[in-house]
Amino acid sequence: GQQVMQIPQYQHVQEGEDFTTYCNSSTTLSNIQWYKQRPGGHPVFLIQLVKSGEVKKQKRLTFQFGEAKKNSSLHITATQTTDVGTYFCAGPTSGTYKYIFGTGTRLKVLA
Amino acid sequence: NAGVTQTPKFQVLKTGQSMTLQCAQDMNHEYMSWYRQDPGMGLRLIHYSVGAGITDQGEVPNGYNVSRSTTEDFPLRLLSAAPSQTSVYFCASSPTGGAGHPQHFGDGTRLSIL
Repeated sequence: GQQVMQIPQYQHVQEGEDFTTYCNSSTTLSNIQWYKQRPGGHPVFLIQLVKSGEVKKQKRLTFQFGEAKKNSSLHITATQTTDVGTYFCAGPTSGTYKYIFGTGTRLKVLA
Repeated sequence: NAGVTQTPKFQVLKTGQSMTLQCAQDMNHEYMSWYRQDPGMGLRLIHYSVGAGITDQGEVPNGYNVSRSTTEDFPLRLLSAAPSQTSVYFCASSPTGGAGHPQHFGDGTRLSIL
């Protein structure tokens, strides 16, 4: 079946360092969404990308959607302790309403 | 606005028992979905609905039933609980299932099957 893998699975960084997580789908996604889940919490929507090659920025966060609409990345510049959590990518398989979530990248930021 | 409300927050069941996890949203969203999240894992889609009276299976539907008689409510039924169904269950909603709409999640139900 369709899979969405994220790498790395875990990342520990010192506060102030940059962080990147990569999302790779085995099939084309019509759009991609990114969510953040704090420990013990629920996923919270961050952003959505729809167009092939799209790049969006939110303060220190930069999101990219690949040209083939099968991969995406999230880059955080100068991490802060508030960035701690697990970041998930997700998207519906092209032509369906079935959302597939990535395996997630758990970020820990050391002060 | 309450958003997406899930009840109960915690539940312990014995193997073979049945129960219903409740999910309600007050945003008049057409699309609702149920996910399960096992420890250290991503979310897997169980069932979803694109509107009242319409439901469909996700990735892991076995052992679960859903119905959508109103726009607001989307209950998830465990027919005969098994230890493998121990998980955190999240309900989510969005205006539609198509492009352009984020999913809003409830706080989750933490379910343990003994």
